[in-house]
Amino acid sequence: GNSVTQMEGPVTLSEEAFLTINCTYTATGYPSLFWYVQYPGEGLQLLLKATKADDKGSNKGFEATYRKETTSFHLEKGSVQVSDSAVYFCALSDHRGNKLTFGTGTQLKVEL
Amino acid sequence: ETGVTQTPRHLVMGMTNKKSLKCEQHLGHNAMYWYKQSAKKPLELMFVYNFKEQTENNSVPSRFSPECPNSSHLFLHLHTLQPEDSALYLCASSQDWGENGELFFGEGSRLTVL
Repeated sequence: GNSVTQMEGPVTLSEEAFLTINCTYTATGYPSLFWYVQYPGEGLQLLLKATKADDKGSNKGFEATYRKETTSFHLEKGSVQVSDSAVYFCALSDHRGNKLTFGTGTQLKVEL
Repeated sequence: ETGVTQTPRHLVMGMTNKKSLKCEQHLGHNAMYWYKQSAKKPLELMFVYNFKEQTENNSVPSRFSPECPNSSHLFLHLHTLQPEDSALYLCASSQDWGENGELFFGEGSRLTVL
């Protein structure tokens, strides 16, 4: 079956530091890949997505590239802010409806 | 109004109680979902409704009973729950049951079973 593996958190960074949150996946075929973000006290919201190999999703300074050869979709940001503190979820869709398979989430804490 | 609204935000219930969670979406979407979010575990898809018809029941125990009276409203009826059912229950919607993968989530209902 499908699965998503994320690095365990929490990840604690200083403001303006570089961020990488690793995500690898197992799936049959060619899934679409997503990053969702959950800010404190809120529901999840889509951050970015990529639908085919070598696609790069980007939003709000975050980027992730769909790497089929390494089955990875790592999230990166060049300079994090305190307001980026949240839980980040990697997910995939195998195109059977909107059935998303999520990772466990990685909590990011950004300090001044 | 926010896109997806869930009530109540917090619920504490005993194992013999009967309660319901409510979800309403104001986005004109056709598909609605219930997810369970537990600490240190991936989100678990529970139920999917598309155009009011249930299209997915992910082996959820019968003590959880969903109801979708129309495309804008989704309920989760709870009865004789167990302490391990304590979790954040998230409702989501999407335009269609399709390949987009973009779900819109509510803020969740935090359930504690004593």
